[in-house]
Amino acid sequence: AQSVTQPDIHITVSEGASLELRCNYSYGATPYLFWYVQSPGQGLQLLLKYFSGDTLVQGIKGFEAEFKRSQSSFNLRKPSVHWSDAAEYFCAVGGSGGYNKLIFGAGTRLAVHP
Amino acid sequence: KAGVTQTPRYLIKTRGQQVTLSCSPISGHRSVSWYQQTPGQGLQFLFEYFSETQRNKGNFPGRFSGRQFSNSRSEMNVSTLELGDSALYLCASSLLRDRDGYTFGSGTRLTVV
Repeated sequence: AQSVTQPDIHITVSEGASLELRCNYSYGATPYLFWYVQSPGQGLQLLLKYFSGDTLVQGIKGFEAEFKRSQSSFNLRKPSVHWSDAAEYFCAVGGSGGYNKLIFGAGTRLAVHP
Repeated sequence: KAGVTQTPRYLIKTRGQQVTLSCSPISGHRSVSWYQQTPGQGLQFLFEYFSETQRNKGNFPGRFSGRQFSNSRSEMNVSTLELGDSALYLCASSLLRDRDGYTFGSGTRLTVV
């Protein structure tokens, strides 16, 4: 069965520090991987996506993610966090299996200390 | 260009009533998906429509239904509302399929009392 695991429910970092949010997936076909961010009371905004090719993907707001097939991981990184990055982050998997749906992880809530 | 528009933003309904939520996708997008978001269950897929046909359905009871019109606008309906249906309902549109990526609306916050 397809699934996405985000091991960290809450993460707190200091402004200016680096960030890595973890995501592991289980998917039988070729995965399409996504990271979304959600601010309180809002919808989801797409940060970046991976389908094929270069395993290091650049996204908006200075985020990047690396696809590692051997580890079934798609971790999100940012070299220097800004206070405005405080939000909830969701990893999701869709794919070539023709399911036309996304399976989301439980999310990681990021707090940023000044 | 305009994003995904969901109406209304907020709804309060009484248990046993029914409700209809609306979603207008990005112009040119033909796939519309619906998701339910709750604190306990997270984001769960409800169904997906493409060219007025339901292509995929999540594991929800038959009280949850949807449809898509020829202009790609979509509605979802929940009948015989239960307290547990209180959630944020998100609509997402895509050009054709998964790899095109999904753009989400701001959601409709449904509260059942």
